Amino acid sequence: DTEVTQTPKHLVMGMTNKKSLKCEQHMGHRAMYWYKQKAKKPPELMFVYSYEKLSINESVPSRFSPECPNSSLLNLHLHALQPEDSALYLCASSHDPGPGGDTQYFGPGTRLTVL
Amino acid sequence: AQKITQTQPGMFVQEKEAVTLDCTYDTSDPSYGLFWYKQPSSGEMIFLIYQGSYDQQNATEGRYSLNFQKARKSANLVISASQLGDSAMYFCAMREANTDKLIFGTGTRLQVFP
Repeated sequence: DTEVTQTPKHLVMGMTNKKSLKCEQHMGHRAMYWYKQKAKKPPELMFVYSYEKLSINESVPSRFSPECPNSSLLNLHLHALQPEDSALYLCASSHDPGPGGDTQYFGPGTRLTVL
Repeated sequence: AQKITQTQPGMFVQEKEAVTLDCTYDTSDPSYGLFWYKQPSSGEMIFLIYQGSYDQQNATEGRYSLNFQKARKSANLVISASQLGDSAMYFCAMREANTDKLIFGTGTRLQVFP
């Protein structure tokens, strides 16, 4: 089973709202990722959690706040977003963090619209 | 710096024909991984196939095969017997050495027609 689930599928929020995106996997993977994908562009890495610790932050604005409560769950807390933050947010997981060829498996994504 | 290049913004193929999607990469590290993903209009990134830099044989997964030419730094995806459901965006990606980062190319939109 290579399933990564994400909720919600769609989210519309105002610039003053606070919302959260949720990602879950039950494959025993120890690395989890958040990507942002704008229309007609490739995904861009935002954060990497390795063994539940933040290992990579790609200079993402503080209005995006990741959280990894346990090895199966990854959240992305959103606050005071801008319209340009509207995008598809993809979560992924892989078995082992670190170098090499470990495959990342992606969830279906959350389509976020900021009004 | 590592880089992935996909030079074909769009490709057309007739159903049941084979198609090759091009991917070239640039890295100075001898150890790396190469991946292909399919992204339908629904948005999900679907893993298709993986090739390690030290793998001696080209990877195959069902109708997908990877034409790995290490000296030319190319990792082309071959889809045999195309189906209408293969219409999607296809991304080539490379796992950056010594990090967890996956670097994507700009993608190729494949359209399969009857």
